[in-house]
Amino acid sequence: QSVLTQPPSASGTPGQRVTISCSGSSSNIGSNYVYWYQQLPGTAPKLLIYRNNQRPSGVPDRFSGSKSGTSVSLAISGLRSEDEADYYCAAWDDSLSGRLFGGGTKLTVL
Amino acid sequence: QLQLQESGPGLVKPSEETLSLTCTVSGGSISSTTHYWGWIRQPPGKGLEWIGSIYYTGNTYYNPSLKSRVTISVDTSKNHFSLKMSSVTAADTAVYYCATNGPTLYDAFDIWGQGTMVTVSS
Repeated sequence: QSVLTQPPSASGTPGQRVTISCSGSSSNIGSNYVYWYQQLPGTAPKLLIYRNNQRPSGVPDRFSGSKSGTSVSLAISGLRSEDEADYYCAAWDDSLSGRLFGGGTKLTVL
Repeated sequence: QLQLQESGPGLVKPSEETLSLTCTVSGGSISSTTHYWGWIRQPPGKGLEWIGSIYYTGNTYYNPSLKSRVTISVDTSKNHFSLKMSSVTAADTAVYYCATNGPTLYDAFDIWGQGTMVTVSS
């Protein structure tokens, strides 16, 4: 059971907007930056969002991150078939003095 | 452009053997003051788990749940860093990734190696 809680699955149709949530606590999401990673099958994770809502160069603006209190969300608009992947949130936890990952959400494009 | 490459045995015997992996850094210096170097693993079909991180000075930061079995070290002359995990069991079977983040310890891992599968089995 991950300290950062994500829904195990999400789905949407092409063109739709999908949101993936990640819930934590005051010692992690509540007091530190959150990051989102996309992992395509058989590949290493790729950084999608850093510092809550910033996109690295090359990441389409269809991907956006937001934070409210001890929860964060990743939104994907204009869903495409190539967005089908696992998505992970991550944050530092001050109580554990360690980096946490969420359990991951498998996104299916129907 | 920084690149990371993991190397090491793909099969380790349980309990008695130590899992040892090396991550070679190319395209940049491991002595960079703006990078930390980390290990992350992913059991088959499961999520990601941070193992630990190191700075070029040798300062280390470990996942509390693995700390008693893990040692991460850096060799600046060879531009690589290493992971050693003792008393391994089948539960340590995973794809092991090395990655880098910075300029602070708390920043995202933005460059990852391709990963190497390690199976713990007799």
